[in-house]
Amino acid sequence: GAGVSQTPSNKVTEKGKYVELRCDPISGHTALYWYRQSLGQGPEFLIYFQGTGAADDSGLPNDRFFAVRPEGSVSTLKIQRTERGDSAVYLCASSLGTSGELFFGEGSRLTVL
Amino acid sequence: EDKVVQSPLSLVVHEGDTVTLNCSYEVTNFRSLLWYKQEKKAPTFLFMLTSSGIEKKSGRLSSILDKKELFSILNITATQTGDSAIYLCAVARMEYGNKLVFGAGTILRVKS
Repeated sequence: GAGVSQTPSNKVTEKGKYVELRCDPISGHTALYWYRQSLGQGPEFLIYFQGTGAADDSGLPNDRFFAVRPEGSVSTLKIQRTERGDSAVYLCASSLGTSGELFFGEGSRLTVL
Repeated sequence: EDKVVQSPLSLVVHEGDTVTLNCSYEVTNFRSLLWYKQEKKAPTFLFMLTSSGIEKKSGRLSSILDKKELFSILNITATQTGDSAIYLCAVARMEYGNKLVFGAGTILRVKS
């Protein structure tokens, strides 16, 4: 596609449930990033992939959060046992290489009731 | 710990006014400072600054970096209602590629 695509755009779930958020980066971009943006805050780094491997997952808040990118293109962010504090917009971004311009998707807004 | 602080948190101006947004930072092994505009969800890239004192300009927007005093400003002249958005400042470290540290943003509202 022309840009970074994220689905779903909105997800409402109940506390304790499992959610998956998907990101389809710009074709050919090898680097993929997940950020989380809470209300009134700037985006906060979660994890970055170079190809299929997670090059840096130091931003994942705890072991309920996990992300994969099995074929080096689409990535899925998985959140287990969701908590109300997980409510935020989850932004995906991709770049050509690790220091090229970063292109963001529209984000997935997660609301945990 | 890396830190990016933006000011003001928000401001309201009238069309035609000039605004200056501020960004100060503390980061180890600084590589670049970036400005983004966020209107709804996706931040869109405005500028990347790596060298002190060199102004970058795009239409009515311009930005400059001071690496000695560790700050940057974003200027918008002759503001329009379409400039209403959140403006985000972020810094990148040498060794971390696009693992950016963002400030909280400045909310700009331009009234007609």
